[in-house]
Amino acid sequence: DAEITQSPRHKITETGRQVTLACHQTWNHNNMFWYRQDLGHGLRLIHYSYGVQDTNKGEVSDGYSVSRSNTEDLPLTLESAASSQTSVYFCASSEGPGQPQHFGDGTRLSIL
Amino acid sequence: GDSVTQMEGPVTLSEEAFLTINCTYTATGYPSLFWYVQYPGEGLQLLLKATKADDKGSNKGFEATYRKETTSFHLEKGSVQVSDSAVYFCARGTSYDKVIFGPGTSLSVIP
Repeated sequence: DAEITQSPRHKITETGRQVTLACHQTWNHNNMFWYRQDLGHGLRLIHYSYGVQDTNKGEVSDGYSVSRSNTEDLPLTLESAASSQTSVYFCASSEGPGQPQHFGDGTRLSIL
Repeated sequence: GDSVTQMEGPVTLSEEAFLTINCTYTATGYPSLFWYVQYPGEGLQLLLKATKADDKGSNKGFEATYRKETTSFHLEKGSVQVSDSAVYFCARGTSYDKVIFGPGTSLSVIP
């Protein structure tokens, strides 16, 4: 069965370090998304991609970057981790407009 | 701008009670509408969807009807179980394939 996997599931790091969260999907979807989920804020879109070499900023993109070198992967990088970036991060993919998004199980990131 | 509003809860029900979670949206045109469910420690899973006015989405005993005249997509279930305890998100699609999510409603079902 097709799936979307995130790694690691949990990570603890220190402020100022660079962190990369992996997202890999086997749906063969062109569209991929990164969200963060925080109490009181719901799901907020960080970055998204409509295909290889395409990346776009979401509503909370400051301090984050993504790259899309193939269809399957969209890694999310925190350039210099800050305590405000402690959150649960979700990756998702979809087939196209009007279609549902498929989510990974998330990465819980703690920045001390 | 476009948005999705839903009751935030938390909602606590006894087993076999009737469930309604209200959801309204703002939009131009006719977006696809979704309900997602999130169990503890997991990602969001699609529960049901509707793509046009008067469509009824259904799955696992849950139902929601796309009401264009009231811009609503309320989630209902006739008899909830303990295993339905989760967070429920109403969402709408956009023409650019982004999805706008509501804030989520936490449901606890007690035996």
